[in-house]
Amino acid sequence: ETGVTQTPRHLVMGMTNKKSLKCEQHLGHNAMYWYKQSAKKPLELMFVYSLEERVENNSVPSRFSPECPNSSHLFLHLHTLQPEDSALYLCASSQEVRTVEQYFGPGTRLTVT
Amino acid sequence: QKEVEQDPGPLSVPEGAIVSLNCTYSNSAFQYFMWYRQYSRKGPELLMYTYSSGNKEDGRFTAQVDKSSKYISLFIRDSQPSDSATYLCAMRNNRLAFGKGNQVVVIP
Repeated sequence: ETGVTQTPRHLVMGMTNKKSLKCEQHLGHNAMYWYKQSAKKPLELMFVYSLEERVENNSVPSRFSPECPNSSHLFLHLHTLQPEDSALYLCASSQEVRTVEQYFGPGTRLTVT
Repeated sequence: QKEVEQDPGPLSVPEGAIVSLNCTYSNSAFQYFMWYRQYSRKGPELLMYTYSSGNKEDGRFTAQVDKSSKYISLFIRDSQPSDSATYLCAMRNNRLAFGKGNQVVVIP
């Protein structure tokens, strides 16, 4: 295990639902990330947090809302998603934002129906 | 032109063969070059990274960076079935960009 856990591992939701993805890191890192991984597409960085402060937001639609209550926990709140949002959502952490080595969680496989 | 190009494969090789993977990129400002391995139903894990041009070896794995050609490679010697995974290249300066990933199957 990498020290980064994600729940749930699988999620099926309708377009009108609201759900949240949770990430927790047990590595004492200061930076946390949300990525989207779609089939046949490069990994897309969505959000970056450093010590609970959002430092990067890569043109992500507002139906994705991140929250970082402390440096060990990261949430991604989802509402009124579209079928094209179906993907694997990965959380990662690193010692600092500029640290090359990032540790990834196993991901949440999201299906929007 | 995409920022990072990587052939998604799949690439099938017999056990014991050398696996050769590569990526090309367009942004000459990239300084760090990484290779991640991702098993099915797992997140990516960093295999190795290099800074600027040159070679780096770690056991059966060798990473090469040619900045003049904007070309990076990963070689896996004496491939094993446990090497079957998707391999993602990534590179960064002040931002991070990934390739699509290349699926590798090592056949026993």
